[in-house]
Amino acid sequence: DAGVIQSPRHEVTEMGQEVTLRCKPISGHDYLFWYRQTMMRGLELLIYFNNNVPIDDSGMPEDRFSAKMPNASFSTLKIQPSEPRDSAVYFCASSLGFSGSTDTQYFGPGTRLTVL
Amino acid sequence: ILNVEQSPQSLHVQEGDSTNFTCSFPSSNFYALHWYRWETAKSPEALFVMTLNGDEKKKGRISATLNTKEGYSYLYIKGSQPEDSATYLCAVSGATNKLIFGTGTLLAVQP
Repeated sequence: DAGVIQSPRHEVTEMGQEVTLRCKPISGHDYLFWYRQTMMRGLELLIYFNNNVPIDDSGMPEDRFSAKMPNASFSTLKIQPSEPRDSAVYFCASSLGFSGSTDTQYFGPGTRLTVL
Repeated sequence: ILNVEQSPQSLHVQEGDSTNFTCSFPSSNFYALHWYRWETAKSPEALFVMTLNGDEKKKGRISATLNTKEGYSYLYIKGSQPEDSATYLCAVSGATNKLIFGTGTLLAVQP
């Protein structure tokens, strides 16, 4: 298995532009997670899906952020409009199950976003 | 709110030294603790998952212990090698079943 795939690996954009990050989870995994990594706050969970359904989006910072999972093999995280404070590394992770969080989450390589 | 703290923030050791670092968390509503190893420019990689008080896990030269009553876990590396250089992340799940990550311990092993 290729693992969790994310694209693009790097994204540089200007303030106000729309940014779309993409993720392909490991085949057969029922859960998909979006995280944001910053120096100040570390690794924060933004949202997670179970069987393509958003379960908890309480970590999404504001309405400018949205995430979708149209099918079991694809998810997007969109920021519109982007701001410089959104600059961070965004990770996608997937897990086979989520029984009391004992299941291992497998992380993708991340997308490094820079908003100028 | 589940708050996970890791110490030290960074650590510099010589090749061959043994080292350890700590993850602290509230002991109430604890479900599981995960240790991840994160090398620069790579993805975080799972090392261990522990759930029971007194759990001990080992993988090669790396081992971990868990004390859920007092709310801490130790990660030990025996005979550090340059390839052990990475950030070691601890994550804990509580009542919400979400993983809450600490800010990590950055380990640098000098040859």
